[in-house]
Amino acid sequence: QITLKESGLTLVKPTQTLTLTCTFSGFSLSTSGVGVGWIRQPPGKALEWLALIDWNDDKRYSPSLKRRLTITKDTSKNQVVLTLTNMDPVDTATYFCAHRLRYSSSLGPLEYFDLWGRGTLVTVSS
Amino acid sequence: EIVLTQSPGTLSLSPGERATLSCRASQSVSSSYLAWFQQRPGQAPRLLIYGASSRATGIPDRFSGSGSGTDFTLTISRLEPEDFAVYYCQQSETFGQGTKVEIK
Repeated sequence: QITLKESGLTLVKPTQTLTLTCTFSGFSLSTSGVGVGWIRQPPGKALEWLALIDWNDDKRYSPSLKRRLTITKDTSKNQVVLTLTNMDPVDTATYFCAHRLRYSSSLGPLEYFDLWGRGTLVTVSS
Repeated sequence: EIVLTQSPGTLSLSPGERATLSCRASQSVSSSYLAWFQQRPGQAPRLLIYGASSRATGIPDRFSGSGSGTDFTLTISRLEPEDFAVYYCQQSETFGQGTKVEIK
């Protein structure tokens, strides 16, 4: 059974750096095709894709946030860490991590987030 | 950068009715990476459809996805009370803005 759980500070001040950890079980981030992504959702608003790290350590970032984001993995601890620098009140959101599958099928290549953590609400306020 | 536009913003229907949700991409995209999610209040998104038309594990067959190129559709054949929620489409690194399906 795959589970993911987000953790980290829930209240940060403007200009500070946010560090979030996704701790997962039920899969290995060294398995080909597996990735872990981060997605956020401001209160009452839509989902926003942030970053993704693959089993082979390939990383992808949202173009609009690339300069502020870093994603890393610790395969031995089953954790993925996301940092977001220079936090601003507009970064207030629920932050989710999700398990990403990528594989080839008879329909062609497939890639999707199949399981998500419950999310953690991060508030940016002085 | 691809933009996904979902319509309508809100869909007001009664239980038992058919819901048709649209997701339009700003340029042609691969169906392989088109997914639909359901999000109920206070919950994480749940994968419904991947590869534009394949149902995820455990998803009832009243949910179906179709489309290609720039136009994709999520259809709920007969709405059940638990289907009233917000639905998002996603293509790779982009999410749509969501469609809320509410009880009429």
